[in-house]
Amino acid sequence: GGIITQTPKFLIGQEGQKLTLKCQQNFNHDTMYWYRQDSGKGLRLIYYSITENDLQKGDLSEGYDASREKKSSFSLTVTSAQKNEMAVFLCASSSGTGAERLFFGHGTKLSVL
Amino acid sequence: GDSVTQTEGLVTLTEGLPVMLNCTYQTIYSNPFLFWYVQHLNESPRLLLKSFTDNKRTEHQGFHATLHKSSSSFHLQKSSAQLSDSALYYCAHMGYKLTFGTGTSLLVDP
Repeated sequence: GGIITQTPKFLIGQEGQKLTLKCQQNFNHDTMYWYRQDSGKGLRLIYYSITENDLQKGDLSEGYDASREKKSSFSLTVTSAQKNEMAVFLCASSSGTGAERLFFGHGTKLSVL
Repeated sequence: GDSVTQTEGLVTLTEGLPVMLNCTYQTIYSNPFLFWYVQHLNESPRLLLKSFTDNKRTEHQGFHATLHKSSSSFHLQKSSAQLSDSALYYCAHMGYKLTFGTGTSLLVDP
C-alpha cells in the first residue's frame, strides 16, 4: 500500500502572509488534488494535476497557486492569508481521472490570526 | 454544471435503527459514476461504495446503495446502525471531475 503525507499538520499564519502546504504520495499515482474542507460546505476542489507539471483549476482556485514539481509531489500556496480564516486542506491522489478511488492525506489545518 | 445534493446536514439516531442518507445529483453525463466516502473523526476520507450501474445494489461493510438514474439518486442505507458508524459521509459524482456534496454527519447514540 501507499501513503499520502501532508506537511505541516498545523499551520498558523498572519493576515496577508503567503503560506505553502506540501503533499507527497508514494502510490505512483498520476493525478493529485487539493481540496478545501469547511463544515457545512463539503469538499471543494482548489486545483488538480493529471501529470507532472500539469495544473488544472478547480472551483475554488482564486486566492491559491499550486505546483506539481514532480509526479510524487503537489504543493499549494495560499497567496494572501485572510484574517480569521480557518480551514482544513486535504490532498488526494488517484491513478487516473476516471472512476478510480481517491486516496486522501490527513490534512493541514490552517488558522490565520 | 454538475452538482450533488445531500439534504441532511446531521442525522441522529439510536443504535440498531436503520440508516438512510440521501443523495441526489445533477449531471449532463448519461453514464454517471457515484461514490460514497466516509470520514471518521480525526481521519481522512476513504471510499465506502461506488457504482455506475443503473438499478444495481452495491454493498460494502454492511452499507448498501443503488444508483437510480431515473430519479438521479444514490442513497446510502444500512439495516442496523452501530456506534462505530458515527462519521461524516460524503456523496460524490464523477463527471469531468469529482464533485462532492456538502456531507451528512451521522451520529449514532447508544
